[in-house]
Amino acid sequence: ETGVTQSPTHLIKTRGQQVTLRCSSQSGHNTVSWYQQALGQGPQFIFQYYREEENGRGNFPPRFSGLQFPNYSSELNVNALELDDSALYLCASSLRGDTQYFGPGTRLTVL
Amino acid sequence: AQSVAQPEDQVNVAEGNPLTVKCTYSVSGNPYLFWYVQYPNRGLQFLLKYITGDNLVKGSYGFEAEFNKSQTSFHLKKPSALVSDSALYFCAVRDGDNAGNMLTFGGGTRLMVKP
Repeated sequence: ETGVTQSPTHLIKTRGQQVTLRCSSQSGHNTVSWYQQALGQGPQFIFQYYREEENGRGNFPPRFSGLQFPNYSSELNVNALELDDSALYLCASSLRGDTQYFGPGTRLTVL
Repeated sequence: AQSVAQPEDQVNVAEGNPLTVKCTYSVSGNPYLFWYVQYPNRGLQFLLKYITGDNLVKGSYGFEAEFNKSQTSFHLKKPSALVSDSALYFCAVRDGDNAGNMLTFGGGTRLMVKP
């Protein structure tokens, strides 16, 4: 059984640029959730996708958007990057309503 | 709204001694509670969860947690700490009445186990 994988591991961008982060869910899981973890803080919920539809959203602006594909993998897109977007971005997969299992994360640095 | 409080930024314990990491929560619906552990430069690793049933939940690596509804607490415990338990621990809650509900995390507690 393959666990949750994320790519890339690290990323450096400059303010105003756009970034796409990718997540492959664990085999058999149909739900993907994205979280932002700023340094020294707990993860904050960005949004969740279930069967290719957004299924809930946290307090993040519209420049944070996502997609889920038929194979349940997912992308997180962030437009117009700001310095405060620097964080560890975590993807978690699950069956809907069940325990979420996290990937290793993507470390985004915005300069 | 839902929230989690982890009142201790850091817990220090000697190897072999029992450890407790505290967590209190607030949720409007049925509480589903989770503990995750994070090692440096890694994602979150699931330890255990409370959904329903016995208030004492056993999880991975000898950890357990006790659900207390009246005190709205879900403290993580281990009878005998190991140096390798040193890591960042997160408590999380979600509303069990909503299958799509998000996880809300506490700010984390750093556990330091000294030899």
